[in-house]
Amino acid sequence: GEDVEQSLFLSVREGDSSVINCTYTDSSSTYLYWYKQEPGAGLQLLTYIFSNMDMKQDQRLTVLLNKKDKHLSLRIADTQTGDSAIYFCAESLLNSGYALNFGKGTSLLVTP
Amino acid sequence: EADIYQTPRYLVIGTGKKITLECSQTMGHDKMYWYQQDPGMELHLIHYSYGVNSTEKGDLSSESTVSRIRTEHFPLTLESARPSHTSQYLCASSESGQAPEQYFGPGTRLTVT
Repeated sequence: GEDVEQSLFLSVREGDSSVINCTYTDSSSTYLYWYKQEPGAGLQLLTYIFSNMDMKQDQRLTVLLNKKDKHLSLRIADTQTGDSAIYFCAESLLNSGYALNFGKGTSLLVTP
Repeated sequence: EADIYQTPRYLVIGTGKKITLECSQTMGHDKMYWYQQDPGMELHLIHYSYGVNSTEKGDLSSESTVSRIRTEHFPLTLESARPSHTSQYLCASSESGQAPEQYFGPGTRLTVT
């Protein structure tokens, strides 16, 4: 698929909020996703948002969607050291059985 | 919690060997997927399946093949492994239709020497 863009690195202090941004490409994507990957592990689904929504909140996670600009963001409140991982933004592909087109991932480092 | 399993978790083999990576899910999901994650962490779709006897190629050209004889099983085979196949291979599954949740297995980390 075409490129889903994410910044590659983000460093925050423990207790601060983290915001990870993403721009996607396919305006027909039904769902947009955030996955988390810890070293040596598979992908953990954090949250997803339906394309006709603007915002979704789930405990410490807030997803904002700007469909006009094809911009997706993930805010993690009160970031903890255990949140250090790689975060992937993804869009669903209608023409590939709703397979996912991923960004390159944002490496989040949380420092004490 | 997702019930999707991959074996082996780690594999080191020599060039030219034939290998099969196993993926099984116990959720009765119709759709299954294989993604290749290169050392730079980029993820690419290499194969997917809508259900039994359905297999499709993904965006990334791959020398691997897949089969889907049973709903719960989606093995990936490399007939002749090469160093360029060194990657992590991730299997995933989801329900039919536009079901949003796509669950991933733990991955197989393959190294070809």
